[in-house]
Amino acid sequence: QKEVEQNSGPLSVPEGAIASLNCTYSDRGSQSFFWYRQYSGKSPELIMFIYSNGDKEDGRFTAQLNKASQYVSLLIRDSQPSDSATYLCAVFTGNQFYFGTGTSLTVIP
Amino acid sequence: GAVVSQHPSRVICKSGTSVKIECRSLDFQATTMFWYRQFPKQSLMLMATSNEGSKATYEQGVEKDKFLINHASLTLSTLTVTSAHPEDSSFYICSAPPPGTGGTDTQYFGPGTRLTVL
Repeated sequence: QKEVEQNSGPLSVPEGAIASLNCTYSDRGSQSFFWYRQYSGKSPELIMFIYSNGDKEDGRFTAQLNKASQYVSLLIRDSQPSDSATYLCAVFTGNQFYFGTGTSLTVIP
Repeated sequence: GAVVSQHPSRVICKSGTSVKIECRSLDFQATTMFWYRQFPKQSLMLMATSNEGSKATYEQGVEKDKFLINHASLTLSTLTVTSAHPEDSSFYICSAPPPGTGGTDTQYFGPGTRLTVL
């Protein structure tokens, strides 16, 4: 079982819609959770991180964490074509970071 | 904010040669840096943890004699791919945690180095 699992997609949403990205993790002791955006050929850039159960909002982005279900998600409101990228979920277990394989998102104008 | 740079951004080399990749923290000191490798359409895979002033810690399956890591100063870590082969062609990314976070916070990533071994 992989440490972090994501649906590889591709996920396509129309411009202005809400994009929902999901991630599950296997280590119940995981401490912190991150969403990165990665454009093709570029290194990841941090979108946001979350430590506690519940929702965390930052602009158009909302991260949701449910530790009981070992589930973390990212919602992108009012999706823009510039949001088209691969979104990586990362989990810090206390020892190291584990990354999911990423979900490819395409926002259609 | 904290910035991490890598050099070179892209390198093409012949099979059997060695390639050095530099990772620098530009406006902060990093006692720890991480080296990742990413193959196309795959996840970032941690190769090793670079520790300033001590030996690097390698992940299982990563050959320490092939991927030489030197954390020479608080702002520079280097990864040398020795006797590179085509299967070493990949995107190599370094990262460093922001100062004062103890590694529990996010990582600042370098821009990555695309290595192509012919």
